[in-house]
Order: sequence, then C-alpha cells, then structure tokens
Amino acid sequence: AQKITQTQPGMFVQEKEAVTLDCTYDTSDQSYGLFWYKQPSSGEMIFLIYQGSYDEQNATEGRYSLNFQKARKSANLVISASQLGDSAMYFCAMRERSNSNSGYALNFGKGTSLLVTP
Amino acid sequence: ETGVTQTPRHLVMGMTNKKSLKCEQHLGHNAMYWYKQSAKKPLELMFVYSLEERVENNSVPSRFSPECPNSSHLFLHLHTLQPEDSALYLCASSQDIGTVALGELFFGEGSRLTVL
Repeated sequence: AQKITQTQPGMFVQEKEAVTLDCTYDTSDQSYGLFWYKQPSSGEMIFLIYQGSYDEQNATEGRYSLNFQKARKSANLVISASQLGDSAMYFCAMRERSNSNSGYALNFGKGTSLLVTP
Repeated sequence: ETGVTQTPRHLVMGMTNKKSLKCEQHLGHNAMYWYKQSAKKPLELMFVYSLEERVENNSVPSRFSPECPNSSHLFLHLHTLQPEDSALYLCASSQDIGTVALGELFFGEGSRLTVL
C-alpha cells in the first residue's frame, strides 16, 4: 500500500505567488517524521523541511512551511513568494519507527512537478 | 555541493556488460543508501549500509551487488542488467540510522543508467 500520496502530478504558479503542494500519509506509528525534498532537473534531491510527529508547531524554513494536520494525516508544503528557481519536482517522504522493512530510510511519494511562470 | 558525489553521471551499457556506480560522501556520516528512481514511480530503497555493514536489502535482484568498503564510499556493481533497470540511481547518506528524527538524507546528483 502506498504510504505517501501526492495527488498533484503537476502544478503551475505565477512568480511571487504562494503555492501549496499536497501530501497525505498513512501510518499506524505514533512516532514518525515527515520530509519534503526538491529535485531540480540536475537530479540532486535537496532537503527542504522536516516535521516530527510530536512537534506541535508547523515547521518553517525561510519561504517553506509545512502545514501539518495530524488528525487528517496531511503534511502539505507551502512555498511563499514563488521564484523561477523553484521550478522542480517536489517529493514528500516519511520515516517511521516500526517499519521493519524500511525502518532506516524514507518512503517517498511520486512527486509533484512545479512550474513557476513569470 | 551537497557533500555526496556520484560517478558516473551517465552510463549506457548493454545487457551483458559489467559496470559499477560509485558514491562518495564527505560529510562524516555513518549510513549510506542506494535508491532507484524510475519514471512516474516513487523512489525505491535498494540498500542501506550502516558503518559499512549492510542492514537492509530491499528485495533487490542479485544482478545488483552493493559494496561498502568504508563509511565514505559505496558502490553498486551491475551485471547482466535488463532494459527495465534503466533509471536514475541515487546515493544518499545520513548521520546515523534508527532514529526517526535523524532522517535528513543528503543525496548525490544521481547516475542516469540506460540499459540497451
């Protein structure tokens, strides 16, 4: 079963506008971590932001914030004031404590392609 | 510059060839990973190494053979691959494994593999 679901294959946003990329997850663990990564055309996966399941406040890193709604099991990424350089693939990922098969690594969603237009 | 370097960036090989992908991390991390990224599929974890010991083999066919000679280097040896193995192979490292909060992975730029 898919652990991470990103329902938006592609998104467009105009420069300087805010955009929300959706992510829902599935876990029965109480302790888990949620991550967002950016992958530009160069291929490198760049870490953006982390949210722990026990963190009461939404994580923020510069223009990135994570809208964490634990009861709904969603961890949406919000990018404020989009820039042309934000055009890339964005991946949501989760790390669980009890996943015996992949307990040491991240489960990734299929990604959302974001295009920022002038 | 992420501190994780992968070579070669691009590789084309026939099904009978033997080749290797190399990953080197300069971050002093203890854990290293191989991921496979195919088109329109989530990243798939292949192997995990902690302190040069393999801790996970995620049902990967034996035509992929990892090697971790030290905590800074990770190889993926390839032989008799199939066309469906064509993908972007990403190497990553992290400080340690086993703790949810220590989940930040640092990735290389990947090796784009094409199997003819």
